[in-house]
Formats: sequence, structure tokens, C-alpha cells
Amino acid sequence: EVQLVESGGGLVKPGESLRLSCSASGIIISNAWMNWVRQAPGKGPEWVGLIKSRSNGGTIDYAAPVKGRFSISRDDSKNTLYLQMNSLKSEDTAVYFCVTESSGAFHIWGQGTMVTVSS
Amino acid sequence: QSALTQPPSASGSPGQSVTISCTGTSSDVGGYNYVSWYQQYPGKAPKLIISDVSKRPSGVPDRFSGSKSGNTASLTVSGLQAEDEADYYCSSYAGNNKYVFGSGTKVTVL
Repeated sequence: EVQLVESGGGLVKPGESLRLSCSASGIIISNAWMNWVRQAPGKGPEWVGLIKSRSNGGTIDYAAPVKGRFSISRDDSKNTLYLQMNSLKSEDTAVYFCVTESSGAFHIWGQGTMVTVSS
Repeated sequence: QSALTQPPSASGSPGQSVTISCTGTSSDVGGYNYVSWYQQYPGKAPKLIISDVSKRPSGVPDRFSGSKSGNTASLTVSGLQAEDEADYYCSSYAGNNKYVFGSGTKVTVL
């Protein structure tokens, strides 16, 4: 059974940084297309970014609102996905989910970790 | 990338059918057969119920069906049951490694 467990969320001030982690079991993340999706309170999900599988070159891409501030990486030895978030804004407040993607659909979701950006 | 447009709410009595629309553009919904649908209960992560416009993952009841015409995709829930009361979101591939989600529809079982 595939399990994704996010951690690292918390309360930070505008302009600060935070790194989220997604520990995977039952799946080798370097063989998968891994995504970060966020959901602000009371809103729909919003795609944040992806890292393609190693066989697809490990291409990384981001949604426009986070490009240049957020960075996705993975540690294959730990089978863990990361989301480094810099220059955080209040509008980044959301639950952040780690998700597998295949054929344009988001199949397996973690339970999410809450990030609150507030002064 | 703007969110896909969904009606805020839909409702039906047990046993009835409800259809939810998801309207995008030729750059997302209309341009690719990569439309998916998700069911979400309060406080839980979304769950994939339809992929590739109309494919049901293993374990998803056949009461759920998807279709697409032009820039609009649709999810139909037939034979509504109490446990179908949830939020539903569509999503589409939008080209250039980008994805977009819908605004969400709250389904109420009367």
C-alpha cells in the first residue's frame, strides 16, 4: 500500500521560509511523478508544482504564483520529497498535500500539513 | 491559469442523479483528455474518482461517471446515496507541465 506522510508545516511570519517533507512508503518516488498541491481554507485545491520521474529526466515545474519562491527536490536515499518555501506570503496559507500523478490525474494523496503565514 | 468553473452547489434526493459541470478553455479541458474528478469529505484529502475523462479507478462505484464535450466536462452521480454528500472538484492538464483545478461543487443529498 502506498503511503505519503507530509510534515514540516507550522506558523511562520510573512517573508520567512519553511521546508515541507513528504516521506513515502510502498512507492519509489524517483520512479513516480510527484506533485505538491495546496488547498487554502474553504477553497479548492491548487496545483503547486511537480518533479517528474528519473526516467523522464526529473523535470521540475511550478505554478506561476510560487515560481521563483518555492523549490521542489527529492532525496532518493530517503525516498522523501521536499518543498522549500521562501519569501512566504499570507496567500500561501493552506494545507499542503504531497500527491502522485499519472496520466494527468492525482492518484495517491498524503494527509496534508498545514502552513499558516501570519504576522 | 484560472480555476475551472463549477457550480457552487448541487443536490438530489436518494436514488436520483446529479450532474456537475466543469468548464474550462481550449487550453485545458478542451485541449486534453486528462480531466479528472475528486471527492472530498471535510478535513480529509481529496480522493480520485474519475481519471482520463471517464475512467473509474478500482474500487470506485459505477454510480460515478464522467464525460466531456468541448471545453466542458461533467460528472454524473447516479442513484445518489447519503455517503455521496461531499465536495467534488474537477482537474485538467493545462499543457506545459501545468495543471488546474475546479472551484468545487458541494453536493447535498436531500
